[in-house]
Order: sequence, then structure tokens, then C-alpha cells
Amino acid sequence: GENVEQHPSTLSVQEGDSAVIKCTYSDSASNYFPWYKQELGKGPQLIIDIRSNVGEKKDQRIAVTLNKTAKHFSLHITETQPEDSAVYFCAASLGGGGNKLTFGTGTQLKVEL
Amino acid sequence: KAGVTQTPRYLIKTRGQQVTLSCSPISGHRSVSWYQQTPGQGLQFLFEYFSETQRNKGNFPGRFSGRQFSNSRSEMNVSTLELGDSALYLCASSYNIGGSTGELFFGEGSRLTVL
Repeated sequence: GENVEQHPSTLSVQEGDSAVIKCTYSDSASNYFPWYKQELGKGPQLIIDIRSNVGEKKDQRIAVTLNKTAKHFSLHITETQPEDSAVYFCAASLGGGGNKLTFGTGTQLKVEL
Repeated sequence: KAGVTQTPRYLIKTRGQQVTLSCSPISGHRSVSWYQQTPGQGLQFLFEYFSETQRNKGNFPGRFSGRQFSNSRSEMNVSTLELGDSALYLCASSYNIGGSTGELFFGEGSRLTVL
């Protein structure tokens, strides 16, 4: 089955700096790659996603890039703010009907003042 | 619009018992998925229901089961509880009805502790 690896497991940045989280997936048939943010005591929330026919997608301070050849995708957060502190999960899906996501192990992002 | 509602939020059981968790999806969402979240294994897919039918299933033993009702509400059941079943169980609903995976809207979870 699909396997998703995520790095780093923890990331500490200064407010205003950029943060980058990287994921690799194993199944070349995967075609949907969402990123979820989970705050303490809450369920994960989608922040951005990308499909395999797109190489890059941006939404304000957040961007995701996808390299299908390398089976690699990354989350970029610019101008980080304290409220960006949370756990971030990447995921991959084979699509084909259904909502089965394989998640990475998560990155604890801490934005320090 | 109300979000995904899960009940109960917290529960404590002992080994060998069984537990039923409930999930009410966002109105209009017909897909309900369940995930187990633990510090060691992360987020793992249990199963997904769509229009009362199981559409996908993860790699969990048969002690884990679920169902969906005609109003899209879903329940999951874990029988013969083991210590390792202690986890946060997350329910997620989605609107998508086609072949493409859609955004999942997660509830806040049911935290199960098995003693």
C-alpha cells in the first residue's frame, strides 16, 4: 500500500521566517496531496491541497509544490506568525472513488517570537 | 453550518469491553470516514462509508467495525478492547460524490482510554 514519509518531525522558526516541510510518497498512482493543520484539542483542518496535474499551488502565505518524478511534495509557509504553531500533516490519496488518505507522521511547527 | 459532531468526547473502558462511537456529518455530506490517531502510529485510516455502504477499508482487525445510517450519521464499534486501542478516534465527512478525493472535514474526536 501507499507509504508517506514526512520530515522534519519538529521545526522551530522565528516569527517572520519561512518554514518548509517535506513529504515523499511511494505509490506513483497517487494523485491527490492535501496538507492538514491540527491545533491542540482539535481535529485536522485542510489548509491547502494539490492534484497530480499541477506542479505548484499558492494561497496567500502558504504554497505547495509537487514533483511527480521524484514522488515528493512540500509545504512552504512564508512570514510565519505565532498562530501558525501547530502540527502539520501531509497526506496522499490514490483517488478512484473514496476518501482514503495515507498520512505522514506529522511536523510540530513552533513559531517563536 | 454546523461542523462534524462526535460523541462521546471522552470515555474510559476496560480490556475486553466494547465501545460504540458516534459521528454526525455536516449536513449534505454523504461520505463519512474514520481515522485512529495515536502518538506512535499517527493518523491511520479505518474505513469510509458512503450512502450506507463501506467504500474503503483500512488494515485493522475485524474487531473494528462501522456502519452508516440513511441520514448519513455513522457509528464505529470496537469489540474486545485491548490496551493498544487507546487513541483519539476522528470522524471526517466529505461532500464529494465523484471519483476525485475531496476535502475532509474532521470532528474533534472521541478520546478512548482502555485500562
